Amino acid sequence: GAGVSQSPRYKVAKRGQDVALRCDPISGHVSLFWYQQALGQGPEFLTYFQNEAQLDKSGLPSDRFFAERPEGSVSTLKIQRTQQEDSAVYLCASSPSGGTSGRGYNEQFFGPGTRLTVL
Amino acid sequence: KNEVEQSPQNLTAQEGEFITINCSYSVGISALHWLQQHPGGGIVSLFMLSSGKKKHGRLIATINIQEKHSSLHITASHPRDSAVYICAAPDMRFGAGTRLTVKP
Repeated sequence: GAGVSQSPRYKVAKRGQDVALRCDPISGHVSLFWYQQALGQGPEFLTYFQNEAQLDKSGLPSDRFFAERPEGSVSTLKIQRTQQEDSAVYLCASSPSGGTSGRGYNEQFFGPGTRLTVL
Repeated sequence: KNEVEQSPQNLTAQEGEFITINCSYSVGISALHWLQQHPGGGIVSLFMLSSGKKKHGRLIATINIQEKHSSLHITASHPRDSAVYICAAPDMRFGAGTRLTVKP
């Protein structure tokens, strides 16, 4: 596709359920980022991949959050035993290269996000 | 305290007005992103700049690395400019955003 896509666009989960959010980056993009955006706030960094390597996961809020990108393209963000505070929009972005200083030095292309609501 | 701060948080303008949104940061950076987020969540990268000024259409972004400050200006604002404008440091620390509403 022409841009970054994410699925599902909306997800409603009961507290305690596991969810999996998918990101399809722009083909050929080396870097992939996951962000969490709470209502009325700016995005907060979760994790960053360069190809299949997860280079930074410092933003993951707990060990219930897990991300993978096994073949260096599609990525999945998994949240286990969801809690109400996990309700947010989860944004994925990709970038053509890793940059000389790791994440962030090159333009990022954002997906539309997945809005997760945990009841 | 957020390391990247924006002001104002909310801004309402009449069509045609000149808009300024400010971003200041407390950490040393060498570049800054300006992003636009429309209702529904889609984010578009507007500028990445490391010095001076960049212009794209009616949008102008300036940065002073030494003073740790950047501004985004919109000339001849239009209702379609209504969106949240976010500044972000290179390691993707984001400001909370400025919600701009331009009324016809």
